[in-house]
Amino acid sequence: DTGVSQNPRHKITKRGQNVTFRCDPISEHNRLYWYRQTLGQGPEFLTYFQNEAQLEKSRLLSDRFSAERPKGSFSTLEIQRTEQGDSAMYLCASSLGGLAGGDTYNEQFFGPGTRLTVL
Amino acid sequence: GENVEQHPSTLSVQEGDSAVIKCTYSDSASNYFPWYKQELGKGPQLIIDIRSNVGEKKDQRIAVTLNKTAKHFSLHITETQPEDSAVYFCAARFVGGKLIFGQGTELSVKP
Repeated sequence: DTGVSQNPRHKITKRGQNVTFRCDPISEHNRLYWYRQTLGQGPEFLTYFQNEAQLEKSRLLSDRFSAERPKGSFSTLEIQRTEQGDSAMYLCASSLGGLAGGDTYNEQFFGPGTRLTVL
Repeated sequence: GENVEQHPSTLSVQEGDSAVIKCTYSDSASNYFPWYKQELGKGPQLIIDIRSNVGEKKDQRIAVTLNKTAKHFSLHITETQPEDSAVYFCAARFVGGKLIFGQGTELSVKP
C-alpha cells in the first residue's frame, strides 16, 4: 500500500502525559499537513511542511504541540502535558506542492488518522 | 476570516434519488475546492474536486458546480446507492495550500 500511513491508530493516555504520533506520507509528496478532527466536525488545519520546513502553524497549535519533519520524509506530532480537550482524531495528509506560497491545485491525500483519548 | 459553511448537516434520501450538498466560502482568492467522503473510523477520501477556472465537473454519478461570483459550490450525487451513505465534507484551499473544511453532511441512503 503506497498511501499515507499513521501510527499508532489509537492512543489512550492519562491527562498530563506526553504522546507522539507518526505520519509517513506518499513517498514523492513534498508537502505534509496535520489536521485535527473532533466528533461531528470537519478536520481543522494545524500545521504544514514543505519538505523539512514548517511553513505555517494554526492558532489551534498551542505551545504544548510540536511537529517535526526532520528529513523531509516522515513527520511526528508531539503533544506535551495532554489535556482532556486534546481528545480527537489527528489526521495527516500529503500532496505535491510548489514553492512556499506558490499556486498549486494538487490533491491532498489523507491517512487513516490516530484517535487520541485523554482520560 | 477563513471560513467554509456547509448545508445541510444531515440528509436522508431513498435509494435512486439525488442528493445535493451546498457550501459557501469566505475568501475570494480560494481557487481549489475538493470534496471528501469519510466512513466511520477512516480518514477522508477525495471523491471529486474542482478548480476555480471551471464551472462544473462530472465523474459518473457525482458532479460538482462552482459559482465564483457568489462563492458557492455544490456536490450532486445522482442515482444514490446505500454504499453512498457516509459523511461528506467540502473544503476550500486557502493561502499556503491548507484546506478549510465545512462542518460535514451525514448522508443516509435508505434501500
